[in-house]
Amino acid sequence: QKEVEQDPGPLSVPEGAIVSLNCTYSNSAFQYFMWYRQYSRKGPELLMYTYSSGNKEDGRFTAQVDKSSKYISLFIRDSQPSDSATYLCAVNLGRGSNYQLIWGAGTKLIIKP
Amino acid sequence: ETGVTQTPRHLVMGMTNKKSLKCEQHLGHNAMYWYKQSAKKPLELMFVYSLEERVENNSVPSRFSPECPNSSHLFLHLHTLQPEDSALYLCASSQEISYGAYGYTFGSGTRLTVV
Repeated sequence: QKEVEQDPGPLSVPEGAIVSLNCTYSNSAFQYFMWYRQYSRKGPELLMYTYSSGNKEDGRFTAQVDKSSKYISLFIRDSQPSDSATYLCAVNLGRGSNYQLIWGAGTKLIIKP
Repeated sequence: ETGVTQTPRHLVMGMTNKKSLKCEQHLGHNAMYWYKQSAKKPLELMFVYSLEERVENNSVPSRFSPECPNSSHLFLHLHTLQPEDSALYLCASSQEISYGAYGYTFGSGTRLTVV
């Protein structure tokens, strides 16, 4: 079983739709949950991070963590063609010097004008 | 630019060649990382440096050789690569190694093709 599972897509939705991107993870000890966005021919950029359970909102983006289900989500409201990218989830134990991020394989998102 | 610059952007090399990838960060970060990104696979951590000292070598074949002469520069020396080494090689940095939980800053990567 992979530590982090993420549907590779592609996920294609019309402009203006609400997008839901998801990851599941296997280790209940993970404490930090991150979403990165990667445009074509670019490196990943940190979009949002969340500590422990709950929601975090930043503009049109909402990150949600459900530790009981080991499920993390990224919602995008009023999606725009500029949101077309690959979205990577990553998790981390966040203790001591355990710096390693465990990554999902990424979901390719296409927003159709 | 993100503050992490990688060169070259594209590299095609034969299996017997020797080449180097370069990474430079202008963020004052103390930790730097090399990642390999292959299609539809999670990022693979290759090497980690903290204050110019290597702290991680994730069972990477010896045909990949990292070098970190100072906290701003990171190199990946390549020799006698295999076609399966073709991938996007990403450099990243973070403020401190323990701050990885709060996110890395990535460069745009070097697209490597081994022929």
